[in-house]
Amino acid sequence: GESVGLHLPTLSVQEGDNSIINCAYSNSASDYFIWYKQESGKGPQFIIDIRSNMDKRQGQRVTVLLNKTVKHLSLQIAATQPGDSAVYFCAENEDTDKLIFGTGTRLQVFP
Amino acid sequence: GAVVSQHPSWVICKSGTSVKIECRSLDFQATTMFWYRQFPKQSLMLMATSNEGSKATYEQGVEKDKFLINHASLTLSTLTVTSAHPEDSSFYICSAKAVGTGGEKLFFGSGTQLSVL
Repeated sequence: GESVGLHLPTLSVQEGDNSIINCAYSNSASDYFIWYKQESGKGPQFIIDIRSNMDKRQGQRVTVLLNKTVKHLSLQIAATQPGDSAVYFCAENEDTDKLIFGTGTRLQVFP
Repeated sequence: GAVVSQHPSWVICKSGTSVKIECRSLDFQATTMFWYRQFPKQSLMLMATSNEGSKATYEQGVEKDKFLINHASLTLSTLTVTSAHPEDSSFYICSAKAVGTGGEKLFFGSGTQLSVL
């Protein structure tokens, strides 16, 4: 079936550096994508979303880029902080708000 | 933002017993709730979609008689793991869709860690 996957299982960055987390999706008909942050033992927390009619969207310290040509999604975190350490998931919205989650990337921030 | 309360946050039970997990939307009405399970270091896998007042829709491979879902009101959905076995040990997470659509209107509970001995 359709799936959403990530390239890197673990990303280690130094505090203050920028982080880029990538995601590949396979359903070309998907029109809505969301990034979530999950801390250990907690539920996912919404970070930012983007619709397929856009290729970039910015939030506070975060930017999501969408490349529909290669079916690629990325999350950029500026000036990464220790509190950003978590697992990040991209999710594909598949009608009626049913979400299909990617495999996740663990972000580790070192001082 | 909207709050989804999930209870209990963790539970330990003996093999063969049943466990009920509650998911409540505290300050909004949720016509649709979703149940996920997550194994360690893995992604969230959708188990079923719970619609208020109707039968839940289960994903392929999820046993509906094993995982009973009840969505009797606009603020409460329950997941009952019947005759639990060690392989059912997992992190169960619910999400609730607030009226208004859009992914940002999906709010997640804090999860329930189930350990079956």
